[in-house]
Amino acid sequence: QKEVEQNSGPLSVPEGAIASLNCTYSDRGSQSFFWYRQYSGKSPELIMFIYSNGDKEDGRFTAQLNKASQYVSLLIRDSQPSDSATYLCAVILANDMRFGAGTRLTVKP
Amino acid sequence: DGGITQSPKYLFRKEGQNVTLSCEQNLNHDAMYWYRQDPGQGLRLIYYSQIVNDFQKGDIAEGYSVSREKKESFPLTVTSAQKNPTAFYLCASSRNLQGTAEKLFFGSGTQLSVL
Repeated sequence: QKEVEQNSGPLSVPEGAIASLNCTYSDRGSQSFFWYRQYSGKSPELIMFIYSNGDKEDGRFTAQLNKASQYVSLLIRDSQPSDSATYLCAVILANDMRFGAGTRLTVKP
Repeated sequence: DGGITQSPKYLFRKEGQNVTLSCEQNLNHDAMYWYRQDPGQGLRLIYYSQIVNDFQKGDIAEGYSVSREKKESFPLTVTSAQKNPTAFYLCASSRNLQGTAEKLFFGSGTQLSVL
C-alpha cells in the first residue's frame, strides 16, 4: 500500500460547482496533513493544512480530516477556471513529507 | 527577500555525465529536501537533510548524491548511474518537521533533460 493515495482523476467540474478531492494515508501515527496546488511547470503552493479531526475552512476551500478512517479531503466551493491545476495531498511521515500522485482538476467555464 | 533558490531552471545532460543542481535558502531552515517529479506524477523523495553534515536517503536515492556542508545549501548531483534522469526536480526547506504542522517552502524547480 502506498503511503499516500489520491483518487486518480482527472476530475472535471463546471464553473461554480463544488470540486471534491480525496486522499487516504497508511500511517495511523501521522499528525499533519497538507493540500498543495500545482500549476503545470511550477512548484507546489500550499493551500491548506489540517491536524485536528473535523473541518477547517479558508475562503472557498474546506479541508476535512477523519483520523479513524485515515482519510483527508479538500472541497473547493464555487469552482473557478483558475482553480484548474493538479492538487497534491501530503502527509508528514516521521521526519519528512510524503506526497500522493496528485489529482488533476479542470474547471470548465 | 527570504526564499529558496534553485538553479539552473533548465539543464541538459549528456550520456555518462554527472550534473549538479543548486539549491540555496536564506530562511534559516534546518531541514532541506530534494524531490523528483515525472510528468503526471506526484513528488518522490530523493534525499533529505535535517542538519548540516547529515542526510538520509529517500525512496529513490539510487543514482543521486547530495552534500550539506552549509545550512543554506543542499546541492544534488545526478550521476551517470541514474539511467533515466529526465524529470522536474524540486528542492524544499522547512523547520524541523517532527510532529509539527510546519510546511515546506519550495524552490521554482529545475527541469533536467537528457541530450
